[in-house]
Amino acid sequence: QKEVEQNSGPLSVPEGAIASLNCTYSDRGSQSFFWYRQYSGKSPELIMFIYSNGDKEDGRFTAQLNKASQYVSLLIRDSQPSDSATYLCAVRSSNTGKLIFGQGTTLQVKP
Amino acid sequence: DTGVSQDPRHKITKRGQNVTFRCDPISEHNRLYWYRQTLGQGPEFLTYFQNEAQLEKSRLLSDRFSAERPKGSFSTLEIQRTEQGDSAMYLCASSSSGKPSYNEQFFGPGTRLTVL
Repeated sequence: QKEVEQNSGPLSVPEGAIASLNCTYSDRGSQSFFWYRQYSGKSPELIMFIYSNGDKEDGRFTAQLNKASQYVSLLIRDSQPSDSATYLCAVRSSNTGKLIFGQGTTLQVKP
Repeated sequence: DTGVSQDPRHKITKRGQNVTFRCDPISEHNRLYWYRQTLGQGPEFLTYFQNEAQLEKSRLLSDRFSAERPKGSFSTLEIQRTEQGDSAMYLCASSSSGKPSYNEQFFGPGTRLTVL
């Protein structure tokens, strides 16, 4: 079992729809959770982080965390073609500074 | 903009040669990380520093890889006797360990290494 798992996709949604990206993790000691966006040929860009159960909203983005189910998700409302990218889920465990990344989910937003 | 910078952005080398990459973190950040990313995969952790101390190194990291951060500012990553399997994007990130912080890491543009 991989430490952080994401469906590689592609996930295709029409412009204006809600895109839902999911991530599961195996280490129950994980403390904080991050979503990065990565355009082709570019480096990852931090878009959100969450550390407590529940929802965290920032503009069109909502991160959701359920530690009991070891599940993190990212919702993108009113999806735009410019949101088309790979979304990486990353997890930080206790007593370490490193992030463990999933393989990423490719999102395609069609006009 | 005082984001993370990396040099060079691209490096092509022949198998068996040594290469060195440099990373300059965000100025107020005391933690610096190196990751490696291959096509279709997420970044893979290599090592990280807090100030000048190397706190963790991946068990998967070959002895051919070495990293330094001598004055707690910039860092270098050296790969000796490169192999074709070393071809990847090498990413540097930095973060602050101060409070409040959840260790948000910000990435540089990366160095793309191609080993022929």
